[in-house]
Amino acid sequence: GAGVSQSPSNKVTEKGKDVELRCDPISGHTALYWYRQSLGQGLEFLIYFQGNSAPDKSGLPSDRFSAERTGGSVSTLTIQRTQQEDSAVYLCASSLVAPVNRTFFGQGTRLTVV
Amino acid sequence: AQKVTQAQTEISVVEKEDVTLDCVYETRDTTYYLFWYKQPPSGELVFLIRRNSFDEQNEISGRYSWNSQKSTSSFNFTITASQVVDSAVYFCALSPGGFKTIFGAGTRLFVKA
Repeated sequence: GAGVSQSPSNKVTEKGKDVELRCDPISGHTALYWYRQSLGQGLEFLIYFQGNSAPDKSGLPSDRFSAERTGGSVSTLTIQRTQQEDSAVYLCASSLVAPVNRTFFGQGTRLTVV
Repeated sequence: AQKVTQAQTEISVVEKEDVTLDCVYETRDTTYYLFWYKQPPSGELVFLIRRNSFDEQNEISGRYSWNSQKSTSSFNFTITASQVVDSAVYFCALSPGGFKTIFGAGTRLFVKA
């Protein structure tokens, strides 16, 4: 696609429910990243994919968070048993190989847990 | 430790003024990359400039330029002749080793007409 596409753009969910956030990277980009942006925490790295594998999962805040990437393209970030502190904007980004290449960001998914 | 510090929380300037955004980074990696990103009110982060750890010279790209000093681990970003459309949050970022990216807290720039 022309840019990094994320869906949904907004999601409101009840505490305790599971949510899935989707990211479509730019076609041909092998590196994909998930970040979280929340008030008071700035931009936090969550996970990084190279192809379908995730060499660095160090930023996932808890075992309620997981992510997968299939076909070297679409990625899904899943949050189980959502909590109010999970409310944030979740940003996806992709680059040709690694951040040494220019990284392009999506517009994010705003998650609100009520 | 790997860290990016943007000491300026908010800056307000009048249109056509030059403005410099400060950034100090910490890393033990010998190979790393530094970036500046802009986040306008629409929310999408936009890449502005990049510097490699082995770059010594400064660069200018249009109205943007950066000044980097390894001795002080600083990577400052300057907008020349600021415009109202430059109003945004600016993030300095560090990518040690070229993968995971660590962002500073951001500097909110207001450019008044």
